[in-house]
Amino acid sequence: DVKVTQSSRYLVKRTGEKVFLECVQDMDHENMFWYRQDPGLGLRLIYFSYDVKMKEKGDIPEGYSVSREKKERFSLILESASTNQTSMYLCASSVDRGGYTEAFFGQGTRLTVV
Amino acid sequence: AQTVTQSQPEMSVQEAETVTLSCTYDTSESNYYLFWYKQPPSRQMILVIRQEAYKQQNATENRFSVNFQKAAKSFSLKISDSQLGDTAMYFCAFMKHDNNNDMRFGAGTRLTVKP
Repeated sequence: DVKVTQSSRYLVKRTGEKVFLECVQDMDHENMFWYRQDPGLGLRLIYFSYDVKMKEKGDIPEGYSVSREKKERFSLILESASTNQTSMYLCASSVDRGGYTEAFFGQGTRLTVV
Repeated sequence: AQTVTQSQPEMSVQEAETVTLSCTYDTSESNYYLFWYKQPPSRQMILVIRQEAYKQQNATENRFSVNFQKAAKSFSLKISDSQLGDTAMYFCAFMKHDNNNDMRFGAGTRLTVKP
């Protein structure tokens, strides 16, 4: 089974802190994604990466950065956490092989910034 | 960028009945994938069904089927014989079929199956 693991299920951080959310996948997938999930807004794409050291901005990249130094790991960084970044964060990975593709998700990190 | 619209924030259905969730999308791409994902209270996203845009035949997975209308850019999900375990958030998603295949989601529909 494909496994996407997020480092924390719940996280509480203070305003202004630098926050790292880690995501690891074990299926050699090229694509990895970070989403933010808020009620009524669904999943909004923050950043995605289609290869090591490659990244593309999604719809809401402001206040976030990402790092992908190894294929299996995709990190989301909040440079200076703010209360409006309190949310659920979901990581996903996918690969397109032979015309078949599917995205697999981690269990989510509920981040509270106080 | 592609956009996905789910116009029904909440829906309910009686157990054993049939319900249809709506999804429309906007894209200039000709080759892409469409998905329905389910998110139960456990928060784990689970793939329900997928459709390749180049296939005219509608996808079916047991009690779940889609009505894919490519010209209308519509992708609805039909759940037959609804079960209590179908209670969840349902998200429609679009993925481009190329090397940089980012994925976009709709706002979701909260489905409640009533006993």
